[in-house]
Amino acid sequence: ETGVTQSPTHLIKTRGQQVTLRCSSQSGHNTVSWYQQALGQGPQFIFQYYREEENGRGNFPPRFSGLQFPNYSSELNVNALELDDSALYLCASSPGQATNEKLFFGSGTQLSVL
Amino acid sequence: RKEVEQDPGPFNVPEGATVAFNCTYSNSASQSFFWYRQDCRKEPKLLMSVYSSGNEDGRFTAQLNRASQYISLLIRDSKLSDSATYLCVVNPLNAGNMLTFGGGTRLMVKP
Repeated sequence: ETGVTQSPTHLIKTRGQQVTLRCSSQSGHNTVSWYQQALGQGPQFIFQYYREEENGRGNFPPRFSGLQFPNYSSELNVNALELDDSALYLCASSPGQATNEKLFFGSGTQLSVL
Repeated sequence: RKEVEQDPGPFNVPEGATVAFNCTYSNSASQSFFWYRQDCRKEPKLLMSVYSSGNEDGRFTAQLNRASQYISLLIRDSKLSDSATYLCVVNPLNAGNMLTFGGGTRLMVKP
């Protein structure tokens, strides 16, 4: 167990809806990263939050947004859901944002968009 | 061209076999390299880091060739429990720990 928890574990939404996914980081970790993993592909970096500020973003449109709270837990919000948003969404926490800081992944949220 | 490319497989091997996976990356400025293991629809787990000098962890050996921008993973004496997807991961320069994953190589070890 990594100590990183994500909720919900599974979610079904319809096209055009909005969704919020949640992540509780491991105790003492101030950095949270989100990844999207489509079926049969590797995880793709969405963005990273460090001490409540976004400090890096991958190639995702603005309808993907996030928050990090003072306790370092985090949310991923996706607006105007599209069918291609169906994926496993992974949250990873780390003690910092340095290159050599190991990532600890949660079990993910499986999102299906119908 | 993808930033990190892997043969998706699957590689079907008998127990006890030796199997090797390769990976190429496009960003020559990349500075950290890893192999992650992922079981079916579960979270990725760090298998090992990859160093220029090569490194070994039990039955697993990882190699990095910076000149060719090529990373390899060798698994000796394959076990049934090694069946999984192996993800090649690169950390570009100045990207902190924001990782770039390859598409993964699936390994199936048969009795």
